[in-house]
Order: sequence, then structure tokens, then C-alpha cells
Amino acid sequence: DIQMTQSPSSVSASVGDTVTITCRASQGISRWVAWYQQIAGKAPKLLIYAASNLQSGVPSRFSGSGSGTDFTLTISSLQPEDFATYFCQQANTFPYTFGQGTKVEIK
Amino acid sequence: QITLKESDPTLVKPTQTLTLTCTFSGFSLSADDVGVGWVRQPPGKALEWLAVIYWDDDKRYSPSLKSRLTIAKDTSKNQVVLTMTFMDPVDTATYYCARTFYSRSSFDSWGQGTLVTVSS
Repeated sequence: DIQMTQSPSSVSASVGDTVTITCRASQGISRWVAWYQQIAGKAPKLLIYAASNLQSGVPSRFSGSGSGTDFTLTISSLQPEDFATYFCQQANTFPYTFGQGTKVEIK
Repeated sequence: QITLKESDPTLVKPTQTLTLTCTFSGFSLSADDVGVGWVRQPPGKALEWLAVIYWDDDKRYSPSLKSRLTIAKDTSKNQVVLTMTFMDPVDTATYYCARTFYSRSSFDSWGQGTLVTVSS
């Protein structure tokens, strides 16, 4: 299986800050990465697909980049509703494995 | 409007077989490119990809669980069923079903999840 290593595991930030989360794949996966947001007790929500494509309805403060093995999710101007856990997922090779998650907490 | 809903929460005993049903609306699993998959999440832990079935009946499984999993679709009922045999307490988790597309691979719509508890 392809391993997806996310960092950091948690980050404390304030409203208005910019937060960057990275995900590293254990082998090259082209641009086949998706990013999800999960609010506690809720189902995940798709934010970004194919590394940099914003899912319909997702605010433009969310952006993704990367290719090969290194990928980044950036949240600009953090809003109160953005405090959640974020997961990356590789969608290049079955099984489509997830990262271990990054919790964005209020500073 | 696209909706997916997993069967109700359940308690199963170790070694028993779990059967989960995902009932969906707002799309058809007979349409090209469409798929429905299952993901689980143990309490406080990360997401784990389990299986997916596509419009053409192509099925893919997590290799670590493949011997225990079966996924099937009933297009006429808009349902996908996941069966997991030989349940163990480590299988206690919230199980989600979600829609996907073969060409995109990510899950764009999710069910609310259902808690499965494995305990004697």
C-alpha cells in the first residue's frame, strides 16, 4: 500500500492566520491527491481533488498544490468554521489510502 | 440532491458477520464512471479505505481485508451492501459509504456514518 504521511499532526492557529498542511506519499502518485475536512462527529467533506481542483461550493481560501510525492493544503485567512481535522488521500493506486490527519485547533 | 445513508448502528459479537447497507438517491450506479465505496474510522483514529464498486461491477478491496470483505450493488434499489466476516473488537468503528467517480477517485458525497460495535 502507498503510505501517506501528513504533517503536522496538529497545529494551533488564530482566526485570520494562514495554515499549511503537507502530505508526503511513499511513492510517486502524479497529482492524484484529495483533501477532506472533518468536523468532530461529522462525515468528511471533500475540499480538493486531483491535487489542486476546488470542489464545488468550497470557499476559495482553501487551495491545494503539489505533484509526485509532496502535496500541500493551504487555508488562507482561517475562519472559525475551519477548526477541524484534515485528511489527505491518495487516489492513484488501490487501496486509496488516507493520511493520519491534521487537527487545526484554536490558539 | 445527492444523499447516502448507511444502515442503523449495530452491535455484533466477535466472529459474527457484519452486513451494512448504503441506500442512496440523487444519482444512479448504472451511470458511466460512478462508484460507491466504504470507509471506516475507529474512534479517535484516521480514516481507512475499505472497498469500492463501480457502475460496471468492477470491485476493488483493501488487500489487508480482502479475504473478509464482499461488496455488491443492487441498482434497482439504489443500494450497495458491504459484508465483513469474522468481526473482531478492533473492527469497532464508524463506517461511511460515499460516492466516487472512477475518473476522479475522490469521494465527493458521504453518508452520515454508522457506528458498528464489536463486543461479546
